[in-house]
Amino acid sequence: QKEVEQNSGPLSVPEGAIASLNCTYSDRGSQSFFWYRQYSGKSPELIMFIYSNGDKEDGRFTAQLNKASQYVSLLIRDSQPSDSATYLCAVSRDSSYKLIFGSGTRLLVRP
Amino acid sequence: DVKVTQSSRYLVKRTGEKVFLECVQDMDHENMFWYRQDPGLGLRLIYFSYDVKMKEKGDIPEGYSVSREKKERFSLILESASTNQTSMYLCASSFTTYGYTFGSGTRLTVV
Repeated sequence: QKEVEQNSGPLSVPEGAIASLNCTYSDRGSQSFFWYRQYSGKSPELIMFIYSNGDKEDGRFTAQLNKASQYVSLLIRDSQPSDSATYLCAVSRDSSYKLIFGSGTRLLVRP
Repeated sequence: DVKVTQSSRYLVKRTGEKVFLECVQDMDHENMFWYRQDPGLGLRLIYFSYDVKMKEKGDIPEGYSVSREKKERFSLILESASTNQTSMYLCASSFTTYGYTFGSGTRLTVV
């Protein structure tokens, strides 16, 4: 079992729809959770981080964390073609600063 | 904004060569990391450093070494390059647990 698992996709949604990206992790001691966006040929860029159970909103993005079920999700409202990218989930499993990454979900937003 | 600069965008090296990948950050971050990214495998941690002259192995350190003589610079060394080290190499730095800033990456091809 991978430490951080994501469906590779592609997840295809129409423009304007809500895209829902999911991630599960295996280490119950994980404390910090991150979502990165990576465009083809580019390096990852941080979108959001979340530490506490519940929802965290930032513009069109909402991160959701459920530690009991060991999953974290990212919702993108009003999806735009420019949101088409690979989304990486990352988890910090202790107080160190190491991140463990999932292999990413490719999102395609159809105009 | 934090800038993380990787010295080369593309490199082609021969099998058996010693290869140096350089990474410099300009925001006085203590923590620096080297990952490699391969299709289907995601980002895998090679080495990381929490301070000058300190280094710790990540998940896949075999065939690699690192050097951190100055706080702003973290070098990855491939002692004797092999074709299975063909990959995208990403350097990152961080100050706290608020996620990484990545460099633009070095695509290394070993022939």
